[in-house]
Amino acid sequence: IQLTQSPSFLSASVGDRVTITCRASQGITSYLAWYQQKPGNAPKLLIYGASTLQSGVPSRFSGSGSGTEFTLTITSLQPEDFATYYCQQLDSYPRAFGQGTKVEIK
Amino acid sequence: QEQLVESGGGVVQPGGSLRLSCAASGFTFSNYGIHWVRQAPGKGLEWVAFIRYDGSNKHYADSVKGRFTISRDNSKNRLYLQMNSLRAEDTAVYYCAKEGVAVKLNYYYYYMDVWGKGTTVTVSS
Repeated sequence: IQLTQSPSFLSASVGDRVTITCRASQGITSYLAWYQQKPGNAPKLLIYGASTLQSGVPSRFSGSGSGTEFTLTITSLQPEDFATYYCQQLDSYPRAFGQGTKVEIK
Repeated sequence: QEQLVESGGGVVQPGGSLRLSCAASGFTFSNYGIHWVRQAPGKGLEWVAFIRYDGSNKHYADSVKGRFTISRDNSKNRLYLQMNSLRAEDTAVYYCAKEGVAVKLNYYYYYMDVWGKGTTVTVSS
């Protein structure tokens, strides 16, 4: 299963609503997770099961979708949200990641 | 708190070997499957390998199959990655990550909820 994220790069301002899409090459029901990674740091789990927010993650993050198309939405982008975001399928092995979406400050 | 700490990285020549270690604390290590994930310089995340909580089942990425071996010692709360026949393209930061699971309506949703800080492997002559 291959995952394709779009866009690969996104320039946005503080307060903007941001949406990142992840498409799977075949259906994975809701077995999808989203991670945030900042430079020099390990990834951090944001969402699993396509839409369940990990404990401690701000509610401005949300996930949706099932089957082959998924979205990560950040409402009102905050300065600490500028990072790279990855989706990952957990339906089968190998546990592939998307190529990443870098969110930068406009 | 739950913690994973990788060690064993370094510089190795092409064709050489290296063994990475991942020490777990703050949770019952023997109850959880653990993954290795790597990230080449300036690149995205690449899943490498997984081992079931009891070591009975293992999975590998095609890029490392036959060269890397994942193992664990639950008595020592440690995970290992034996890397043989190393290539330049194996150069990366290697992370270990704990696999969590949530059950909703009889469906099992997996995720990687605890990550180490990573250890750097450089394959170069």
